[in-house]
Amino acid sequence: GAVVSQHPSRVICKSGTSVKIECRSLDFQATTMFWYRQFPKQSLMLMATSNEGSKATYEQGVEKDKFLINHASLTLSTLTVTSAHPEDSSFYICSARRGVNEQFFGPGTRLTVL
Amino acid sequence: AQTVTQSQPEMSVQEAETVTLSCTYDTSESDYYLFWYKQPPSRQMILVIRQEAYKQQNATENRFSVNFQKAAKSFSLKISDSQLGDAAMYFCAYRADSSYKLIFGSGTRLLVRP
Repeated sequence: GAVVSQHPSRVICKSGTSVKIECRSLDFQATTMFWYRQFPKQSLMLMATSNEGSKATYEQGVEKDKFLINHASLTLSTLTVTSAHPEDSSFYICSARRGVNEQFFGPGTRLTVL
Repeated sequence: AQTVTQSQPEMSVQEAETVTLSCTYDTSESDYYLFWYKQPPSRQMILVIRQEAYKQQNATENRFSVNFQKAAKSFSLKISDSQLGDAAMYFCAYRADSSYKLIFGSGTRLLVRP
């Protein structure tokens, strides 16, 4: 299957700082990428859909000014958690769409805000 | 709104035996896709099997098969000859044909006893 990478895999930051997470499709072009959040022992919750060259579409209840998404190229989408607080600590997963019916997931990023 | 329900938080199976994980969904769409994803301790999401709603034949992938009952909106996963490596969280997911967004169930933790 296709490969999607995320960087960093783990990040610890102080409250009030901003953190950027990168999602890359390594061997295919992805016009659409998705960002999910997963709390411990819970399911994946879609945060936003990222389309190359246009603004991201956020799910209801997700603060777009808090979670900034940029999809600058067909292989890269970034999620920036601005002014992070302890309640933002979570596991963030991206996925990238290839073709009509294939989605490939990144390995996830564990964010811990102190 | 579409919803996906997994009523079994945890299941246990003896190695080499067969286990069935349940999933029900609710939708008013006529065209959609259903998926089972595996999330091992590494947290990497892995596609196990996919079913197109327009296909009457149940999908099969080696030891994994589904029982798709469209009228009942049921989509169960059967794992035959269970192996220790099958131990993981299993998520059922839905995608409408008109959207690329995946909607996940709450997950079932599968334990495999040696």
